[in-house]
Amino acid sequence: ETVLTQSPATLSLSPGDRATLSCRASQSVDIYLAWYQQKPGQAPRLLIYDASNRATGIPARFSGSGSGTDFTLTINSLEPEDFAVYYCQQRKFWPPLTFGGGTKVEIK
Amino acid sequence: QLQLQESGPGLVRPSETLSLTCTVSTASISSSPYLWGWIRQPPGKGLEWIGSIHYSRGTYYNPSLQGRITISIDTSKNQFSLKLYSVTAADTAVYYCARHDDRGGNYQNAMDVWGQGTTVTVSS
Repeated sequence: ETVLTQSPATLSLSPGDRATLSCRASQSVDIYLAWYQQKPGQAPRLLIYDASNRATGIPARFSGSGSGTDFTLTINSLEPEDFAVYYCQQRKFWPPLTFGGGTKVEIK
Repeated sequence: QLQLQESGPGLVRPSETLSLTCTVSTASISSSPYLWGWIRQPPGKGLEWIGSIHYSRGTYYNPSLQGRITISIDTSKNQFSLKLYSVTAADTAVYYCARHDDRGGNYQNAMDVWGQGTTVTVSS
């Protein structure tokens, strides 16, 4: 099973700041990594697929990068609605599809 | 716009079977190139993929749950279903259904449409 480790667990930032979230895979997943945003009481929402492709309707302030084992989700100029939990997920080696443990972006 | 809606009992007794259904609107599961999956989230924890089904490729299950789950498609109702057998308190979670794709190329190769989720509690 491919383990995804997200860091940090919590990121305390202010609106307008840049957020940099990390996801590290236990083995190379090439570019087959996605990022999701989840707000309390809501289902996850797809942000990025295949490492760097924004999903339909996702604002340009969200960007993804990386390949192999190290990936980054960057949120430029945080908006109030961006404070949420973010998960990465790999599809290179499945089953099982695996998710990271999540990074919570909270208001400082 | 494609919508997914989970349904099923909110309370299941220990050792019994959890049964959930996901109804897909505005798209036909049987003629779709997509995979249809189940994901769960225990209270206060992260996401766990349970399994997925494709109308022609078959089923894919999480090995950690293999032997306890069955996912099936009902094309006449445009639904897919999850059965989780011999449940315990550890199976208490919000259960989501989702559409996902792995065709590569320019497709959105991830879980791009989700249901709102349904809470299932295992308790006597």
